Amino acid sequence: DIQLTQSPSFLSASVGDRVTISCRASQVISSYVAWYQQKPGKAPKLLIYGTSTLQSGVPSRFSGSGSGTEFTLTISSLQPEDFATYSCQHLSTYPPITFGPGTKVDIK
Amino acid sequence: QVQLVESGGGLVKPGGSLRLSCTPSGFSFSDYYMSWIRQAPGKALEWVAYISFSGNTIYYADSVKGRFTISRDNALNSVSLQLNSLRVEDTAVYHCARLRGMPGGDGYYFDYWGQGTLVTVSS
Repeated sequence: DIQLTQSPSFLSASVGDRVTISCRASQVISSYVAWYQQKPGKAPKLLIYGTSTLQSGVPSRFSGSGSGTEFTLTISSLQPEDFATYSCQHLSTYPPITFGPGTKVDIK
Repeated sequence: QVQLVESGGGLVKPGGSLRLSCTPSGFSFSDYYMSWIRQAPGKALEWVAYISFSGNTIYYADSVKGRFTISRDNALNSVSLQLNSLRVEDTAVYHCARLRGMPGGDGYYFDYWGQGTLVTVSS
């Protein structure tokens, strides 16, 4: 099974900062990744699927890129509502469907 | 708008059972695969199971295979997860989510999620 790791696991940033979160797969994946945002007590929210396609309604400051084993979520200018935990997911065709361990973005 | 509301969580002893339900609204339920995903305290999201439009195709994570059963009732617009032989390590918030497939069959992702229902397994 493919394992996903994320780095950093925690980052402290200020409003307006450019933030980059990495998701690394344990082997080359020919398919895609998705990115989710989680806030405590709320439903997780899909941000990006297909590695770089922005889900409808998600602000354009979020972007995704990558291929092979390295994938990235970038927030171009961090906003107050972006402080949350971000998780990547491998878009596997067959089970299991795997998630990364998450990156918590906190206020500096 | 799309909404998914889970219910049925609670405190149960190891070895016990629980049935979780998810009530979707805002979309044509029978047109979508549905899934359950859980998150233990301080841990990563863990996919649990998914079920196809009519229920003919079902997959489980190895960690729950043989103990959990996913089902759906398209007439009643609901998807359920029966949890049997519960273990302490099954303690988690269980989310219901709508499953979407990439064009060309290049994998699945979850476009809408519920807030979840907490299952606590403890003696």
